[in-house]
Amino acid sequence: KAGVTQTPRYLIKTRGQQVTLSCSPISGHRSVSWYQQTPGQGLQFLFEYFSETQRNKGNFPGRFSGRQFSNSRSEMNVSTLELGDSALYLCASSLEDSTGELFFGEGSRLTVL
Amino acid sequence: GQQLNQSPQSMFIQEGEDVSMNCTSSSIFNTWLWYKQDPGEGPVLLIALYKAGELTSNGRLTAQFGITRKDSFLNISASIPSDVGIYFCAGPYNNNDMRFGAGTRLTVKP
Repeated sequence: KAGVTQTPRYLIKTRGQQVTLSCSPISGHRSVSWYQQTPGQGLQFLFEYFSETQRNKGNFPGRFSGRQFSNSRSEMNVSTLELGDSALYLCASSLEDSTGELFFGEGSRLTVL
Repeated sequence: GQQLNQSPQSMFIQEGEDVSMNCTSSSIFNTWLWYKQDPGEGPVLLIALYKAGELTSNGRLTAQFGITRKDSFLNISASIPSDVGIYFCAGPYNNNDMRFGAGTRLTVKP
């Protein structure tokens, strides 16, 4: 069974630009959640999607957004990038919700210059 | 938001030694999860605990769900070099989002 796939693995952007990250969950998993991981703040919950609807949202500004498609694949977008957005962005999938056993992808490492 | 206090922050041990780390919270959690993250990878689930007092093993790993539901510990017995990594405790908060501890960075010297 294929795991969670995230693309791209690495990317470099400059301040003010925007970025879109993609996540393909494990087949059959309907919940996709996103996390930001930084050395200072650790793993922080961004949002969760289920059946193409955002079901839960963490405490991040509106520059962070996402969506989920009918095949459960998900994308997250960060607009007007700031230096502090540099982080590892992790996608996790689970069968039904984001509060159970999560299966993580390898992450997309974003560097903002 | 609700914090999970994980300790110790880091550990340096000799191969073959046992390791213990724990996680506490001021709030009750109904589920405790332990993850391991290797460099350049996403966290991988090690053990899931769903019942207060539950003691669960996975090979050399043993984890317990505290009876108060406010803490959990993870033990690794007879450590080996591939145990190196960062270990995270996690639990769902308000049934909405998963909260993670700050992690315990484990170094195993051969």
